[in-house]
Amino acid sequence: GQQLNQSPQSMFIQEGEDVSMNCTSSSIFNTWLWYKQDPGEGPVLLIALYKAGELTSNGRLTAQFGITRKDSFLNISASIPSDVGIYFCAGQLRAGGTSYGKLTFGQGTILTVHP
Amino acid sequence: GAGVSQSPRYKVAKRGQDVALRCDPISGHVSLFWYQQALGQGPEFLTYFQNEAQLDKSGLPSDRFFAERPEGSVSTLKIQRTQQEDSAVYLCASSARVIHRGVSSYNEQFFGPGTRLTVL
Repeated sequence: GQQLNQSPQSMFIQEGEDVSMNCTSSSIFNTWLWYKQDPGEGPVLLIALYKAGELTSNGRLTAQFGITRKDSFLNISASIPSDVGIYFCAGQLRAGGTSYGKLTFGQGTILTVHP
Repeated sequence: GAGVSQSPRYKVAKRGQDVALRCDPISGHVSLFWYQQALGQGPEFLTYFQNEAQLDKSGLPSDRFFAERPEGSVSTLKIQRTQQEDSAVYLCASSARVIHRGVSSYNEQFFGPGTRLTVL
């Protein structure tokens, strides 16, 4: 099935460093979302973006919805050990049609933070 | 708690066995999704229910996969004659669907912890 192209696949960083990851798609989405998944758990929503060009922050997290509606990035500033996990981007088609809000996910970015 | 729950959390099946995976969504959530997450991959859509109606089953990989939600709450994903390639984590998500000015919008999908299926 279709998956979004997410990079990098993994990152090993020192505590306190900033992190950036991005996601691209061959098709347009009108909602972009970023999730974090811890081992043995389901994904948890971090940030949702609803408008092309939108820049949204949630604490140390900042995400942007690309102008073309085919890409998004997530930045994490001043990383801490509890940021460890797998981060997924997801695209969603809103408002009618037959998508019903199903999510199309990227392959994930594995983040490791060294104290 | 009041989150999405799934059972069992782990299931080991011999190839050829049938399995049934259960999802208890958040009470009152109209929408229910099933996703399949292979090792090292992101979740992939399997099927969608709005109340008891299965409106989209385009992601089901074969006719061995069957899902139901007969009373519009609990859902069961059944896999018949399991194969090794069925080994994955099966995630359930629910959301409250909102219609505003005649236009559907989709609230946050809350995911359960998943069922890890291993087929030997």
